[in-house]
Amino acid sequence: EDKVVQSPLSLVVHEGDTVTLNCSYEVTNFRSLLWYKQEKKAPTFLFMLTSSGIEKKSGRLSSILDKKELFSILNITATQTGDSAVYLCAVKSGTYKYIFGTGTRLKVLA
Amino acid sequence: DAGVIQSPRHEVTEMGQEVTLRCKPISGHNSLFWYRQTMMRGLELLIYFNNNVPIDDSGMPEDRFSAKMPNASFSTLKIQPSEPRDSAVYFCASSLELNNEQFFGPGTRLTVL
Repeated sequence: EDKVVQSPLSLVVHEGDTVTLNCSYEVTNFRSLLWYKQEKKAPTFLFMLTSSGIEKKSGRLSSILDKKELFSILNITATQTGDSAVYLCAVKSGTYKYIFGTGTRLKVLA
Repeated sequence: DAGVIQSPRHEVTEMGQEVTLRCKPISGHNSLFWYRQTMMRGLELLIYFNNNVPIDDSGMPEDRFSAKMPNASFSTLKIQPSEPRDSAVYFCASSLELNNEQFFGPGTRLTVL
């Protein structure tokens, strides 16, 4: 059975800290891995990763994929209170199927 | 660009009633996805369409759930009869093609009493 596991389930840090969120997966036909940020509304897209070892960056956020060890990490440096959200990892399996993890709830304290 | 539009934003109904959720995808997008999100199960993909045709409905939990896409700009997710365990946020998302990034609507928060 395809599955996506995220850790930790929740995290509380202070502003300025660096956090690392983990996503491991077992899927039959991996195509890509996606990260989303969800605040009190719909998920918003952060990154799509398809190749191992290539880091994607957007401001203070970065992500990398390891297709050999079947995991990805999402790093957030110099965290701000606005980074507080649930971060979702999803894996595309085959042409059509998306499997989501349950998310990591991040809270950044001022 | 208005993004994906969903209605209603909130619905509270009684057990046994029929519920219809509506979605208008982004204009020009060929693929549409229905998701359900709960605290217990997280985000689950229920069904998706490509060019108005249902591709995979294996995520639909029961026969009480049905979805249609009569044209490229409109889709419905219907629950009949509704049950309290159907209470969740239902998201609709669309993408340019099946392999592209999905854009989510604001969701419909459904409460079944």
